[in-house]
Amino acid sequence: GQQVMQIPQYQHVQEGEDFTTYCNSSTTLSNIQWYKQRPGGHPVFLIQLVKSGEVKKQKRLTFQFGEAKKNSSLHITATQTTDVGTYFCRSSGTYKYIFGTGTRLKVLA
Amino acid sequence: DGGITQSPKYLFRKEGQNVTLSCEQNLNHDAMYWYRQDPGQGLRLIYYSQIVNDFQKGDIAEGYSVSREKKESFPLTVTSAQKNPTAFYLCASRISGGRDTGELFFGEGSRLTVL
Repeated sequence: GQQVMQIPQYQHVQEGEDFTTYCNSSTTLSNIQWYKQRPGGHPVFLIQLVKSGEVKKQKRLTFQFGEAKKNSSLHITATQTTDVGTYFCRSSGTYKYIFGTGTRLKVLA
Repeated sequence: DGGITQSPKYLFRKEGQNVTLSCEQNLNHDAMYWYRQDPGQGLRLIYYSQIVNDFQKGDIAEGYSVSREKKESFPLTVTSAQKNPTAFYLCASRISGGRDTGELFFGEGSRLTVL
């Protein structure tokens, strides 16, 4: 069955450092979504990627979809304390919408 | 303001009791979902409904039940058969229940603690 793994599981960075989380699927994805969940909060949609090799940017966040549509990455440039939270990818190849395991980011001021 | 409302936000239950978590949306979305999140863990799908009067089991449906009698409402009952019910429960909705994708909108969650 379809599996979605995210790495790393945890990441601690100093404020101002960059951060990247990777999402890897065992099967080809039709598209992929990214969500952010602040501590104690609920997941909030960030972006959706559909095309092979697609790259999208939102201010300091850069999202990329692999050429084979089996992996994706989220890169944050110059992290800020407001970036703290858990970042999830979500594959959209089935009705059941499998979430990745998540990467928890802590930013040290 | 359109959105998803979950209640209660916090709930304490004694072992052996059933509890029902409410989820109401006024987004006119067809699809609704229930997820369970344990500390430091990802989201696991309990049940989902793509249309009124229809729902399907997710990956961890045992010990849970749902109904979808109205488009706006998708209550989740945590029964006494659920062995480890203490968790954070998230309800979500999506505009379409079909194969076309769309973002999930989440409620603020209900935190259930079994004493």
